[in-house]
Formats: sequence, structure tokens, C-alpha cells
Amino acid sequence: AQSVSQHNHHVILSEAASLELGCNYSYGGTVNLFWYVQYPGQHLQLLLKYFSGDPLVKGIKGFEAEFIKSKFSFNLRKPSVQWSDTAEYFCAVSGNTPLVFGKGTRLSVIA
Amino acid sequence: EAGVTQFPSHSVIEKGQTVTLRCDPISGHDNLYWYRRVMGKEIKFLLHFVKESKQDESGMPNNRFLAERTGGTYSTLKVQPAELEDSGVYFCASSQTHRANYGYTFGSGTRLTVV
Repeated sequence: AQSVSQHNHHVILSEAASLELGCNYSYGGTVNLFWYVQYPGQHLQLLLKYFSGDPLVKGIKGFEAEFIKSKFSFNLRKPSVQWSDTAEYFCAVSGNTPLVFGKGTRLSVIA
Repeated sequence: EAGVTQFPSHSVIEKGQTVTLRCDPISGHDNLYWYRRVMGKEIKFLLHFVKESKQDESGMPNNRFLAERTGGTYSTLKVQPAELEDSGVYFCASSQTHRANYGYTFGSGTRLTVV
């Protein structure tokens, strides 16, 4: 069965700090990997996705993620966070099945 | 295009009562998914419709939960009778294809509180 592990429950950063959120997955086959974000009071939105090709994926709002197959990882990064990045971030994986999510990481960006 | 709409946004009911949640997918999306997030836990898959048929209902917790999608348009998720552990946020998503790599569009969720 597929599973997703997000290492950080709550991350607090100052504006302009760099961000890296960890995500590891468990699945034996070909995977599709996703990061979703939920801003306060809003619905889940797709930040970026990987399903083939360049393992470094660029998404919206300056986010990127790197798929490292040997480590079963798909960490999310952003060089410089803004206050508006305060949200909850979910890593998800899919083989040919519905999405399986991690527990989420809450990011708080302070001035 | 209009997004995925869920109703109600919040519901507070007493243990033992019945609640029905509704999801209107994006028009033309044959695939509709229900997920649930219990506080502090991951977002867990409940079931998947393709048009009006249940493709995968392996995530439904027990027979107190009944999902329908008559006519292949909107879907309802009924909890009867509700228990305290049913509290959480219920998300609906839709997609054009069943393959997740094309992405799902999520609704804003229904926050259900059972007291």
C-alpha cells in the first residue's frame, strides 16, 4: 500500500528565510507525486506535480520540488518565503490509484 | 469555470443524528472523490465515483456512511447515525480522468462537528 510521510508538523520561519519541507513515500511502482497547499479558509490547491522527466519540478509562487528516486523523497523548497506563504502543505502520491496524502505541514511565516 | 462546490461549509450535529453532505463537481468531470481529514491526521481517501458508479469504496469507514451519485452529477455523503469520531473535514474533488497525474480540483470542504 502507498503511504506518505511528512516529517515536520509545524514549521515557523521568518520572512525571506529559505524553506524545505520533507516528504518521503512508500510505493513500489511508478509514482506520481504532488504538493498541495491550503491557505487559511481556502480549498486545497495544486502547487506542483511530478510524473516523469526532469526530477526538479517548478511550481507556482516560486516553489520547487526535487524527486529523488533512490531516497523515495519529494521535498518541497522555496528560496525565500513570504508572509503570504503561511498555509498548510500536503505531499501526496499516486500510482494508478486515488491520491494518498501525508499528514500535512503547517507553515507559519512571521515578519 | 466554476469550481467544485461543497455544501454546507459547516455542520454541527448531535451524536445519533443524520447529516448529508453534498458535492457538485466541475461540469463534465466524470470522476468524483470523497476524502476526510480528522483533526491532526492525514487526508484519507473515502471513495471514488466514475459517473454514477462506485469505482473504489475501500476507504469508507463503516456502513454508517452512504455515498450516492445519482445521474452522475452531484454526489451526497450521508452519515447515519453520526458518532463523535466522524468529526472532521470532508473534502470532495473531481477530475476529468481517473489518473491522478492530471490533478484533482478540490472543494473547500465541509467541517462536520459531532457533539
